[in-house]
Amino acid sequence: DAEITQSPRHKITETGRQVTLACHQTWNHNNMFWYRQDLGHGLRLIHYSYGVHDTNKGEVSDGYSVSRSNTEDLPLTLESAASSQTSVYFCASSQKRAYEQYFGPGTRLTVT
Amino acid sequence: AQSVTQLGSHVSVSEGALVLLRCNYSSSVPPYLFWYVQYPNQGLQLLLKYTSAATLVKGINGFEAEFKKSETSFHLTKPSAHMSDAAEYFCAVSAMNSGGSNYKLTFGKGTLLTVNP
Repeated sequence: DAEITQSPRHKITETGRQVTLACHQTWNHNNMFWYRQDLGHGLRLIHYSYGVHDTNKGEVSDGYSVSRSNTEDLPLTLESAASSQTSVYFCASSQKRAYEQYFGPGTRLTVT
Repeated sequence: AQSVTQLGSHVSVSEGALVLLRCNYSSSVPPYLFWYVQYPNQGLQLLLKYTSAATLVKGINGFEAEFKKSETSFHLTKPSAHMSDAAEYFCAVSAMNSGGSNYKLTFGKGTLLTVNP
């Protein structure tokens, strides 16, 4: 069955370190998204991509970057981790831009 | 700009009782609307979607929602709550931006549903 996976599921890192969260989908969807989920803020869009080599900033993109070298993967990089980036991160994909998004299981990141 | 308001951050019902989770949206163009469910330590799972076809939409696990344009609402209901329905529920709206090139998916803040035995 097609699916979307994220790794690692849990990560603890120190302030200032670079961290990369992986997202892999087997639906062959062109559209992929990264969100963070925090209490009181709901889901907020970090970055998104509509296809290979396409990347766009979301509403909370500062301190994060993405790259899209193939259809299946959209890794999220925290250039220099900060305590404010402690959160649960979700990757999602969709067949068409307007359609529903399918979410991965999430990565819980703690920055100490 | 589009927005979603979920009325009530926490709803508590008894097992077997009606579940009603409220969602109001604002959008300057016809939207697509979605309800997602999130169980503890899991990702969001699509419950149902409205994409301009029938206004009463049926989803998984016995849930349904009705699109009411005049009220800009998309409330989620289930006739009889089960213990397994306890989770957080998110309403979301997708609409084309003013430039006509992109769709943006905007989520509400979520409603935590508690089901009491």
